[in-house]
Amino acid sequence: GQNIDQPTEMTATEGAIVQINCTYQTSGFNGLFWYQQHAGEAPTFLSYNVLDGLEEKGRFSSFLSRSKGYSYLLLKELQMKDSASYLCAVRGPSGGSYIPTFGRGTSLIVHP
Amino acid sequence: KAGVTQTPRYLIKTRGQQVTLSCSPISGHRSVSWYQQTPGQGLQFLFEYFSETQRNKGNFPGRFSGRQFSNSRSEMNVSTLELGDSALYLCASTLTYNEQFFGPGTRLTVL
Repeated sequence: GQNIDQPTEMTATEGAIVQINCTYQTSGFNGLFWYQQHAGEAPTFLSYNVLDGLEEKGRFSSFLSRSKGYSYLLLKELQMKDSASYLCAVRGPSGGSYIPTFGRGTSLIVHP
Repeated sequence: KAGVTQTPRYLIKTRGQQVTLSCSPISGHRSVSWYQQTPGQGLQFLFEYFSETQRNKGNFPGRFSGRQFSNSRSEMNVSTLELGDSALYLCASTLTYNEQFFGPGTRLTVL
């Protein structure tokens, strides 16, 4: 199975940069996802990493190191609307299937 | 382009009843996944369907089942409802293997 660990809560200032870490242990690996979820809304896909390295998409970037079981989501030029929960998920084997296992999410609070 | 739609949006049932939830994916998307989200357990994968076949299944009891129709619409069913089944049930559709688009969810309350 998979075990995902990410910080429960982070705070940052508008305009700053924040890095949200995710560490995982898995018996197999088939990709890592990041999602954003605003309170009371459905998750929104942010990124997918399957190979080591940095993937950049606008203000958001995601990094993966498979050997270290580690990923981070980097948010630049923070805006108030970035206040949300950020979910890390790892897809791996489970009972003959490949399924995503989610972390509990990191609640990011952006203040002026 | 219309997004993922889920019906109903809210549902109240009593223990022992069964419930069927519906999901219509984005046009052209052939993969549909279902998730359960609760404050206690977070977001958990239920199952995934592709072209009417269950491709992957999470660790939920057999009371949870699903199916996909030829038009890619999907339904999930929960039989013999328990209080712990109260949750937000999310459906997501995928064009590629990776980028998922979530629907607004169905909020199920079991009394």
